[in-house]
Amino acid sequence: DARVTQTPRHKVTEMGQEVTMRCQPILGHNTVFWYRQTMMQGLELLAYFRNRAPLDDSGMPKDRFSAEMPDATLATLKIQPSEPRDSAVYFCASGPSTGLANYGYTFGSGTRLTVV
Amino acid sequence: AQKVTQAQTEISVVEKEDVTLDCVYETRDTTYYLFWYKQPPSGELVFLIRRNSFDEQNEISGRYSWNFQKSTSSFNFTITASQVVDSAVYFCALDLKAAGNKLTFGGGTRVLVKP
Repeated sequence: DARVTQTPRHKVTEMGQEVTMRCQPILGHNTVFWYRQTMMQGLELLAYFRNRAPLDDSGMPKDRFSAEMPDATLATLKIQPSEPRDSAVYFCASGPSTGLANYGYTFGSGTRLTVV
Repeated sequence: AQKVTQAQTEISVVEKEDVTLDCVYETRDTTYYLFWYKQPPSGELVFLIRRNSFDEQNEISGRYSWNFQKSTSSFNFTITASQVVDSAVYFCALDLKAAGNKLTFGGGTRVLVKP
């Protein structure tokens, strides 16, 4: 089965350090999402791209977060500087163009980030 | 604005019991998609079903069934004859075409199936 690959799976870093999370979407999928999951806030949309163009990043703290898709096979999410409140699981998901078929967005396994 | 409400935060059942998870959504759009995802203890999010707003037919897949009712803005999910492996958090999500097709998730319902 095709899958969305996220790296790293786990990251522990000190406050103030830069964190980069990477995502390889499924080949042929033109929509990519970044979500953050915490116990308090649940699943929050941070940013998403269609055909590599950012469509919405309103859920992302702009002063410290940035999301890019340098090419169709790579999406990145950076936090600089990181803070303890950024500790969460970050998910990447990809999907094809919408239609009436019973597709579902495919999620990666997530990156568990701990900022100490 | 769109919103998804899963009023049940946790449900505990004994194996072989049926369990129904409620999902109520809010949107003024006429074109939208509804999803259910499963998040087992391992943490990944597993796609279960997608339904578009023009198709109100109920769906059955093995022990899983879904009841979509536009009149009450609900998309409920039933697990029949639950098994321990069904223990997970289940999320309902709404995808609006007008909003650029981004998923808005409900808060999730944790299902615990006891042997």
